[in-house]
Amino acid sequence: AQKVTQAQTEISVVEKEDVTLDCVYETRDTTYYLFWYKQPPSGELVFLIRRNSFDEQNEISGRYSWNFQKSTSSFNFTITASQVVDSAVYFCALSEGSYSGGGADGLTFGKGTHLIIQP
Amino acid sequence: KAGVTQTPRYLIKTRGQQVTLSCSPISGHRSVSWYQQTPGQGLQFLFEYFSETQRNKGNFPGRFSGRQFSNSRSEMNVSTLELGDSALYLCASSLGQNMNTEAFFGQGTRLTVV
Repeated sequence: AQKVTQAQTEISVVEKEDVTLDCVYETRDTTYYLFWYKQPPSGELVFLIRRNSFDEQNEISGRYSWNFQKSTSSFNFTITASQVVDSAVYFCALSEGSYSGGGADGLTFGKGTHLIIQP
Repeated sequence: KAGVTQTPRYLIKTRGQQVTLSCSPISGHRSVSWYQQTPGQGLQFLFEYFSETQRNKGNFPGRFSGRQFSNSRSEMNVSTLELGDSALYLCASSLGQNMNTEAFFGQGTRLTVV
């Protein structure tokens, strides 16, 4: 069965510091997809990134970057020069790719990391 | 382009009652999935619909059901409500027929069972 672990329940940093959110996953599939979502206090989950298991290239989007390492089953998320607006709960999620139209588990989410950016 | 719309935003129900939540996906999206979020269990997959057919179901009792209409709008129903059903219910829509494509979430319906 698939599983996502976000060991950091809460992280608090001062604005402008860099911060890395950890995500470790378990899956028996060779084809799978990894996601990061942000959940601000308003409640909706905001899509940040999707990565498939065959693409280990790291990605950078502005102040956000993601490090995918299959060897350690990790998909970590780094925010550079954090800002107060980055404060939210961040979720890592996994979807197995052997989709046959039935029995899949949708997205499996980690428990989330509550990120607090202090001014 | 309008996002995913969930109604109502807040709901208070009494134990034993039933409730229906609604989700309107992004225009053109044919897949709708539902998730339950609680402080204890986190985000858990309920079910997924594509073209009016339930394609997947999570590990929830039969009191939880859903359906999808021809316009892709979806409803979920919870019968015989229990206190433990208090949660934020999130709906996600995507273009493709599985969760491997980008999914967009609504703001959720916060259900309180008293």
